[in-house]
Amino acid sequence: GAGVSQSPSNKVTEKGKDVELRCDPISGHTALYWYRQSLGQGLEFLIYFQGNSAPDKSGLPSDRFSAERTGGSVSTLTIQRTQQEDSAVYLCASSFQGAGGYEQYFGPGTRLTVT
Amino acid sequence: GESVGLHLPTLSVQEGDNSIINCAYSNSASDYFIWYKQESGKGPQFIIDIRSNMDKRQGQRVTVLLNKTVKHLSLQIAATQPGDSAVYFCAENDNDYKLSFGAGTTVTVRA
Repeated sequence: GAGVSQSPSNKVTEKGKDVELRCDPISGHTALYWYRQSLGQGLEFLIYFQGNSAPDKSGLPSDRFSAERTGGSVSTLTIQRTQQEDSAVYLCASSFQGAGGYEQYFGPGTRLTVT
Repeated sequence: GESVGLHLPTLSVQEGDNSIINCAYSNSASDYFIWYKQESGKGPQFIIDIRSNMDKRQGQRVTVLLNKTVKHLSLQIAATQPGDSAVYFCAENDNDYKLSFGAGTTVTVRA
């Protein structure tokens, strides 16, 4: 079946511009996660959705970052007034349930470059 | 703070040999662990998982060992193949939704 998809796969933007990154989770998965991966680093948790609610936004680096999820499906991560330090790969994952012990399936990521 | 880490950032292995990738974790409350494989330009791919009530689990060519006493996790890959070249991450979950990842070990398979 279809896995997690993300778009765009690559995004180059100028400093100060806003960007939107999209994630389509696996159908039926109630939990959705956003992570950030800087070059050569592990994954940094950003935000978690259970359905359309985000009970944990604690990983968002600043108030320039926001995310929403609609219809219990598609999620959008928005970065306003991008900075060079925002350059990274943004990964989305989904799982059957949000409780611990369920495998998270990852998308291919969006590589964001801020010039 | 608590963290998940890997002992070695890189591992070079001869094709056909067995590989062992190590991971130390510090959260004693963690009860679920996953190994992921990430190839260049792709998202992490699930390899194998293990719950804290087990100390060993086997998959196809892979075995995960969990030592809760010393908070150590390892991934063994049998008969390593060129397609096994990737970055390997361990991740822990303390029965909450969040996975904590280490920095990863880059495995390079020599022909």
